[in-house]
Amino acid sequence: DVKVTQSSRYLVKRTGEKVFLECVQDMDHENMFWYRQDPGLGLRLIYFSYDVKMKEKGDIPEGYSVSREKKERFSLILESASTNQTSMYLCASSPPQGRVTEAFFGQGTRLTVV
Amino acid sequence: LAKTTQPISMDSYEGQEVNITCSHNNIATNDYITWYQQFPSQGPRFIIQGYKTKVTNEVASLFIPADRKSSTLSLPRVSLSDTAVYYCLVGDPFYNQGGKLIFGQGTELSVKP
Repeated sequence: DVKVTQSSRYLVKRTGEKVFLECVQDMDHENMFWYRQDPGLGLRLIYFSYDVKMKEKGDIPEGYSVSREKKERFSLILESASTNQTSMYLCASSPPQGRVTEAFFGQGTRLTVV
Repeated sequence: LAKTTQPISMDSYEGQEVNITCSHNNIATNDYITWYQQFPSQGPRFIIQGYKTKVTNEVASLFIPADRKSSTLSLPRVSLSDTAVYYCLVGDPFYNQGGKLIFGQGTELSVKP
């Protein structure tokens, strides 16, 4: 079974802190994604990466950056956390051509910024 | 990227068949229709995908009319454990680079005893 592992299930950080959310997948997938999920807003794409060191902005990239130095790892960085970034963060990866739309998700990280 | 529109919520009772319709008027020729299921406190899970006509697996059926501007996810004889949010999205499964997956708000299905 494909495994997408997020480093923390719950995280509490202070306003202004630099926050790293880590995601690792074990199936050699090219594509990796970061989403945030808020009540009433569904899943919103923050960043997408289709290869090592390659990234594309999603719908809501402001206040976030990403890093993909190795194929299996995709990190989401909050440069200076703010309370409006309190949310559930979901990482996903998807198989190569022919199954790109069949993504596998991690269990999520619930981040609270106080 | 084609946008999708689904009902925000639906109610059903155990044992009934549930049909959730998704509208995707601007679907591109190479796009497939994909559905995900999300239980509370979990990430979404892929359940079914199709291009046209009908696709069936052990979880659900997917009906796609000839014009492909809409699709219907059908869950036969639902149980309480089918209570979840269901997302419809469209995308090209063969287009690796730039293959963003855009989710809408989803349909919250509530199954009652």
